[in-house]
Amino acid sequence: DTGVSQDPRHKITKRGQNVTFRCDPISEHNRLYWYRQTLGQGPEFLTYFQNEAQLEKSRLLSDRFSAERPKGSFSTLEIQRTEQGDSAMYLCASSQVTYNEQFFGPGTRLTVL
Amino acid sequence: SQQGEEDPQALSIQEGENATMNCSYKTSINNLQWYRQNSGRGLVHLILIRSNEREKHSGRLRVTLDTSKKSSSLLITASRAADTASYFCATVLRETSGSRLTFGEGTQLTVNP
Repeated sequence: DTGVSQDPRHKITKRGQNVTFRCDPISEHNRLYWYRQTLGQGPEFLTYFQNEAQLEKSRLLSDRFSAERPKGSFSTLEIQRTEQGDSAMYLCASSQVTYNEQFFGPGTRLTVL
Repeated sequence: SQQGEEDPQALSIQEGENATMNCSYKTSINNLQWYRQNSGRGLVHLILIRSNEREKHSGRLRVTLDTSKKSSSLLITASRAADTASYFCATVLRETSGSRLTFGEGTQLTVNP
């Protein structure tokens, strides 16, 4: 395991459906981040975990979004009742030490029809 | 909201030329990082410069930081076609915890062979 992995890489869903994404960070990294990126924009922070604790959530993370990191390993991001505005690339990143660089996964591209 | 603004938004050069991208930000930072993103892919960390540093080098990359002007520049020397990508600056703000990244909107660099 040499990097952050995300699954699935692409997801097409109909409006109103629920979707769940998974992120597997680099094994020794205790911090895990979720970002969202729309076309032509930089990524925007959604939430982060230190070990299993969710320590910060952006106001972008509406009530329809929930993230978990059980046992401080992999993380899931669930979007309930998807809307067309949720269409974006969802990026996961992990890091080991405060303020150091973050290692990003390949992202999950969500398309809501 | 985006913290940084990159300039230019798009840059097209010939192979072998140098490419300079600029980034401005608004609030006090702990560090500033540059990332590269190939089309539709995750981000790759390039270099990190701390608020008490003024210049840093890594291979063909040179980054400067001017905290009085709240700006940074990324210089890629002797560019190659493989350098074609989007480049983002990202800041870690002093007042936030967890070292979350706040990205700019990016510069799209095209290196023509």
